[in-house]
Amino acid sequence: DGGITQSPKYLFRKEGQNVTLSCEQNLNHDAMYWYRQDPGQGLRLIYYSQIVNDFQKGDIAEGYSVSREKKESFPLTVTSAQKNPTAFYLCASSRARNYEQYFGPGTRLTVT
Amino acid sequence: GNSVTQMEGPVTLSEEAFLTINCTYTATGYPSLFWYVQYPGEGLQLLLKATKADDKGSNKGFEATYRKETTSFHLEKGSVQVSDSAVYFCALSSMNRDDKIIFGKGTRLHILP
Repeated sequence: DGGITQSPKYLFRKEGQNVTLSCEQNLNHDAMYWYRQDPGQGLRLIYYSQIVNDFQKGDIAEGYSVSREKKESFPLTVTSAQKNPTAFYLCASSRARNYEQYFGPGTRLTVT
Repeated sequence: GNSVTQMEGPVTLSEEAFLTINCTYTATGYPSLFWYVQYPGEGLQLLLKATKADDKGSNKGFEATYRKETTSFHLEKGSVQVSDSAVYFCALSSMNRDDKIIFGKGTRLHILP
């Protein structure tokens, strides 16, 4: 089955530690995205990538970093510089930037 | 720029009631329109879409018609079930390949048994 996987489902970290969230897709999509969702809120775009080895900042990129070394993979690192990292993180992909997006199941990150 | 406005929630209905969740948009040209659904603790799923004026998207008993004259894409279902309780997002995508999809803020739906 084609789809997007995110791991782990739940992640706990201590304040001051960097943490990397995994996102893999086997849909052969060119574009991939990371969103943050806070309780009762909509989606906020962190980073996106339209092609391997290229990515752009979204609306709330501060304190986050990404890489796109393979078409299938788009990991997100939440750095210690992110002031409020506890949130639900969603990865998505699409054929191109203006096509419908397909989402992974999400990773809930808790930092204490 | 492009934008999507959807009704604020939460919307609370009894089982078997008729559902409407309003969505209006602002865009140049002829955007594609989408409804996504997010069940508790999960990612978003594409529910239905419409790519041109007067198109009707439908899935799982949900329908939405692309109305260019009123710039609307309201989501409807004739008889809701408890299992339809979720957050629903309206979204828009322009014809420009370099434009990103714009999501509404989401509408939480509670269905009471």
